[in-house]
Amino acid sequence: DIQMTQSPSSLSASVGDRVTLTCRASQSISRYLNWYQQKPGKAPKPLIYGASTLQSGVPSRFSGSGSGTDFTLTITSLQPEDFATYYCQQSYSTPYTFGQGTRLEIK
Amino acid sequence: QVQLVQSGAEVKKPGASVKVSCKASAYTLTSYYMHWVRQAPGQGLEWMGIVNPSTGSTSYAQKFQGRVTMTRDTSTSTVSLELSSLRSEDTAVYYCARSEGGFWGFDLWGQGTLVTVSS
Repeated sequence: DIQMTQSPSSLSASVGDRVTLTCRASQSISRYLNWYQQKPGKAPKPLIYGASTLQSGVPSRFSGSGSGTDFTLTITSLQPEDFATYYCQQSYSTPYTFGQGTRLEIK
Repeated sequence: QVQLVQSGAEVKKPGASVKVSCKASAYTLTSYYMHWVRQAPGQGLEWMGIVNPSTGSTSYAQKFQGRVTMTRDTSTSTVSLELSSLRSEDTAVYYCARSEGGFWGFDLWGQGTLVTVSS
């Protein structure tokens, strides 16, 4: 199975900050990397697929990059609604494993 | 409105089975794959398997092989997850999520179904 490792596990930031979350795959997954945002008690919300393509309706302050084994999710100018847990997921081969998540908290 | 609507919460005893359903609305069920993902309390997301609603073919995570069955009913636009031999560690919220294929990620999720396993 492909292991996905996210860093940091948690992050404190302020409204207006720029933050970068990292996701690393245990082997090359090309660009088969997806990002999701989850708030407590809610289903995950799709953000990005194919490493860098925003899902419909996702604000442009979110961006993704990377290929192979190393990927990043960047949020510019954090908004209050962005404080949540973020998961990466590889869809290169089954089982489609998720990272353990990065919890983004308000400083 | 395009959505996935899941069945309601369940409470089961250890050793029992549970069946969770996921009904697709406002799109053609057979045009997308359907996945099941679970999340134990306070934990991360865990992929369980995939069903192709067009053919009925399935692929399950090794961890669940022998205990899980994913099916579809095209007449009702519904996919179902059945998990047997339940244990306390199966207590989780179970989500269905669709994908157009591996590259596109899961673009639509159900609201989740809480399954509690307790004696």
